Amino acid sequence: QKEVEQNSGPLSVPEGAIASLNCTYSDRGSQSFFWYRQYSGKSPELIMFIYSNGDKEDGRFTAQLNKASQYVSLLIRDSQPSDSATYLCALSGGSYIPTFGRGTSLIVHP
Amino acid sequence: DAGVIQSPRHEVTEMGQEVTLRCKPISGHNSLFWYRQTMMRGLELLIYFNNNVPIDDSGMPEDRFSAKMPNASFSTLKIQPSEPRDSAVYFCASSPWGLAGGRGTDTQYFGPGTRLTVL
Repeated sequence: QKEVEQNSGPLSVPEGAIASLNCTYSDRGSQSFFWYRQYSGKSPELIMFIYSNGDKEDGRFTAQLNKASQYVSLLIRDSQPSDSATYLCALSGGSYIPTFGRGTSLIVHP
Repeated sequence: DAGVIQSPRHEVTEMGQEVTLRCKPISGHNSLFWYRQTMMRGLELLIYFNNNVPIDDSGMPEDRFSAKMPNASFSTLKIQPSEPRDSAVYFCASSPWGLAGGRGTDTQYFGPGTRLTVL
């Protein structure tokens, strides 16, 4: 049984700060890692995916993967109120079937 | 592309009634997933199809739930009879799973969801 653990939050950060969201997982066979953003009342949408150890940057977002320690994180630089949402961590192995975490609620206050 | 289309967007029904949720995946995607999301349990995978064939339905909670995918552009999730504990948001997602032969093909593209309330 794959497990994906996230702190439910809420994580509250001031506008302009760096928000750090973390996710740990149990299945060492996991190969693909995803971060989805879900606004209240909306569906999840993909922000980033990462496969290799290290950092991957896309605009204000940076995903970090450490397979040895079995964690993946998402950094949001220059956080904006519009970043306030729930962030879901997901992973999949060779079957490509994803397992989602429960999500971390992020609040960016002005 | 219109994205994944789900209908209805909202459904309110009484306990014991049959409920049918519909989904049209993104054209060209070969994989379709049905999820249920609640505050208590988060996002749960119910069933997924690959090339219209059900691959794993171990997430379907009970025999009251059934899903079909008669062709590549349409899928249904049926609950019969419905119960109050089935109240949730049901998402359909599609994926190009392996079609491009490379990374990113297991990305999920979610529909807007159907909010089901069973009274």
